[in-house]
Amino acid sequence: EAQVTQNPRYLITVTGKKLTVTCSQNMNHEYMSWYRQDPGLGLRQIYYSMNVEVTDKGDVPEGYKVSRKEKRNFPLILESPSPNQTSLYFCASSLWGTSGYQETQYFGPGTRLLVL
Amino acid sequence: SQQGEEDPQALSIQEGENATMNCSYKTSINNLQWYRQNSGRGLVHLILIRSNEREKHSGRLRVTLDTSKKSSSLLITASRAADTASYFCATCYYGNNRLAFGKGNQVVVIP
Repeated sequence: EAQVTQNPRYLITVTGKKLTVTCSQNMNHEYMSWYRQDPGLGLRQIYYSMNVEVTDKGDVPEGYKVSRKEKRNFPLILESPSPNQTSLYFCASSLWGTSGYQETQYFGPGTRLLVL
Repeated sequence: SQQGEEDPQALSIQEGENATMNCSYKTSINNLQWYRQNSGRGLVHLILIRSNEREKHSGRLRVTLDTSKKSSSLLITASRAADTASYFCATCYYGNNRLAFGKGNQVVVIP
């Protein structure tokens, strides 16, 4: 089944304790992205990757790191989490269309993070 | 950052009625997409409409695109309780490799 998986689904941690949220897709998509969703603010992009070893900042990259060593995986790293990073996080992947622009994005189920 | 803006933000309707929501954007797009999100779950793609298209249908969904007004609408016909969700538009702007999401429309369908 074509899907984007994220782990963990729920995480409670404390300020400053490094954590990684994994994301994996089995659709051979070039493009992968991380978003955070907060009430009243909608979906905001954190980082994205257009292919292996190619990553770039989105709208809210501060406090986050990513890497893209393999096409299927795109982990999100919080080196020193703070309470303002408490949020619902989504990973997504997509193909490039023949026009050279993004087509449908496929979303993971989300990771709900609470930083105390 | 540039992003689509949905209007209205919240909509409450009776089952069987139609629901319409609009999305406006700021500059030229390659395509515009609509997504649905059920209560904190992942977004699910509904329809993609390209800049050279004016209308697309998928089941009970109809999307229109007016590039002269820089706006799109999503119509859900004969709504069902299961249509209760948040609906987001996302724009793919020319010269930009990212999708810009709006803040979403909350639609509640009352049985």
